[in-house]
Amino acid sequence: SQQGEEDPQALSIQEGENATMNCSYKTSINNLQWYRQNSGRGLVHLILIRSNEREKHSGRLRVTLDTSKKSSSLLITASRAADTASYFCATRTYNQGGKLIFGQGTELSVKP
Amino acid sequence: ETGVTQSPTHLIKTRGQQVTLRCSSQSGHNTVSWYQQALGQGPQFIFQYYREEENGRGNFPPRFSGLQFPNYSSELNVNALELDDSALYLCASSGTGSGGAWGTGELFFGEGSRLTVL
Repeated sequence: SQQGEEDPQALSIQEGENATMNCSYKTSINNLQWYRQNSGRGLVHLILIRSNEREKHSGRLRVTLDTSKKSSSLLITASRAADTASYFCATRTYNQGGKLIFGQGTELSVKP
Repeated sequence: ETGVTQSPTHLIKTRGQQVTLRCSSQSGHNTVSWYQQALGQGPQFIFQYYREEENGRGNFPPRFSGLQFPNYSSELNVNALELDDSALYLCASSGTGSGGAWGTGELFFGEGSRLTVL
């Protein structure tokens, strides 16, 4: 079963605009991670935020985590056509060993 | 490039057949996990191997089985294939820097093996 739910399911923006994707989850977590997947290919890790962190930055990426609301958001600033991909949040929980539980993903399309 | 390689990249099987998928983990990584990703869905955890032993399993039937070898490469075997087994199968590796068997860090994914069951 999926732990995370992502919103929106699909997002279409123009190059240069910002893209915001949201993720909600159900149980207490150890950390939350965001991954990117180009069409039909493997997933690439983008950023990890621990349960005791509230915000993290990496280049044009900004991730926030609100454990009281069990939600996270991923912001991509100044988007580029090359950012077109599916983005997934994934959680690690304390009682689930090493597995990641993925959301359904947000399909981002950045138009030139 | 993550250093995780999977083979084959694509394959077609018929219902009832058996399939073996292979994965070479990134150098230095001792933990391998397998995920199934149906079209339009997020990946779902199948199982994880740490130092040649299964140490976590998702909600998949016993006809999904695996192995990890001393060099930390891995196989996923699926018996009695069903139409719903059609999916992208992803292998991911992680190392002790990610917390070992109960790793909490990032996973490094291969490009996947796309299985079609007819």
